[in-house]
Amino acid sequence: EDKVVQSPLSLVVHEGDTVTLNCSYEVTNFRSLLWYKQEKKAPTFLFMLTSSGIEKKSGRLSSILDKKELFSILNITATQTGDSAVYLCAGPMNRDDKIIFGKGTRLHILP
Amino acid sequence: DVKVTQSSRYLVKRTGEKVFLECVQDMDHENMFWYRQDPGLGLRLIYFSYDVKMKEKGDIPEGYSVSREKKERFSLILESASTNQTSMYLCASRRGGTGELFFGEGSRLTVL
Repeated sequence: EDKVVQSPLSLVVHEGDTVTLNCSYEVTNFRSLLWYKQEKKAPTFLFMLTSSGIEKKSGRLSSILDKKELFSILNITATQTGDSAVYLCAGPMNRDDKIIFGKGTRLHILP
Repeated sequence: DVKVTQSSRYLVKRTGEKVFLECVQDMDHENMFWYRQDPGLGLRLIYFSYDVKMKEKGDIPEGYSVSREKKERFSLILESASTNQTSMYLCASRRGGTGELFFGEGSRLTVL
């Protein structure tokens, strides 16, 4: 059965810290992996990763995929209180594009 | 900008009622999805549709059905609502074969 596992499920850090969020997956036919940020409303798109070893970067956020070891990480440097959110990892798992999400990591940044 | 619109932001229904949740997207996307989101369980896929009149079960289809008669509209139907279907329901769409999902604002359903 295809699945996506995120860790940790919850994380509390102080403003200015760097955090690393993990996403591992088991798939029968991997195509791509997605990261989303969810605050109070609908998830907003962060990154899509398809190639192993290539880092995607957007400001203080970056993400990389390891297709051999079947995981991805999302890094946030110099965290700010506005980074407090649930971060979701997901992937199209087969040719029918059934997109499955992990349970998410709830990140709380203390001022 | 892509827009995904869910017709009802908040609904309160009684056990046994039939419930329709409507989702419309304006970008001619092939794929549409219905998820429910519950604390500690993340987003769980109920049904998805990869084209008009095509549908596939997700991980938790029991108690739900869907309809996709037109490309822009994907409806989620609860034939006989139960209290364990109280949840936030999120609709999403995307162009076939690409990655990014575009989400609606969500419909919070309470079944009494």
